[in-house]
Amino acid sequence: EMVLTQSPATLSVSPGERVTLSCRASQSVGSNLAWYQQRPGQSPRLLIYGASTRATGIPARFSGSGSGTDFTLTISSLQSEDFAVYYCQQYNNRPPWTFGQGTKVEIK
Amino acid sequence: EAQLLESGGGLVQPGGSLRLSCAASGFTFSTSAISWVRQAPGKGLQWVSVISGNSGRTYYADSVKGRFTISRDNSKNTVFLQMNSLRDEDTAIYYCARDWRVRGVIIDYFGMDIWGQGTTVTVSS
Repeated sequence: EMVLTQSPATLSVSPGERVTLSCRASQSVGSNLAWYQQRPGQSPRLLIYGASTRATGIPARFSGSGSGTDFTLTISSLQSEDFAVYYCQQYNNRPPWTFGQGTKVEIK
Repeated sequence: EAQLLESGGGLVQPGGSLRLSCAASGFTFSTSAISWVRQAPGKGLQWVSVISGNSGRTYYADSVKGRFTISRDNSKNTVFLQMNSLRDEDTAIYYCARDWRVRGVIIDYFGMDIWGQGTTVTVSS
């Protein structure tokens, strides 16, 4: 069974700082990885698919990288609206799909 | 505007049944796979099930296999999740989301790019 492990679980950051979130897969998923943002009380929002392609309307400060088993989501300069929980999700080959357990980005 | 709207959640006793609906608008429904994803209180996202656009493929998480059934009615732009033998651990917000799309023989995956607002299922006696 595919497992995605995100680190850290929580990140305390000041506005304007650069943030790097990690997602590691238990086996290779190629580039079949997406990132989502979930603000409190809201539905998830797609940020990145194909490991590095920004979804429609996503600001350029969000970028994704990696392939195989190690992936990174970077927020170049954290804005107030970016404080949220971030999830990675793999969609390699065929379902079942898997989400990571999430990384909470909170205000320092 | 592309939208998904869930309904059908509620309070049900353990062992009971519930049928969720996900109504779509603003995009080509029949070529879009639709997933259900749930979120238990204070927890992360858990993928539950997916159905292809033509209903030819359905997949389930092990935790719901044999208890939940996903289906769709393309004439009504709606996907259903029939949930039987419900357990306490099925308590969650259930979201539907657009999954892969088909162009002829090509499958396009752009992530789960459209999400509904969710419907809450509470399993409790």
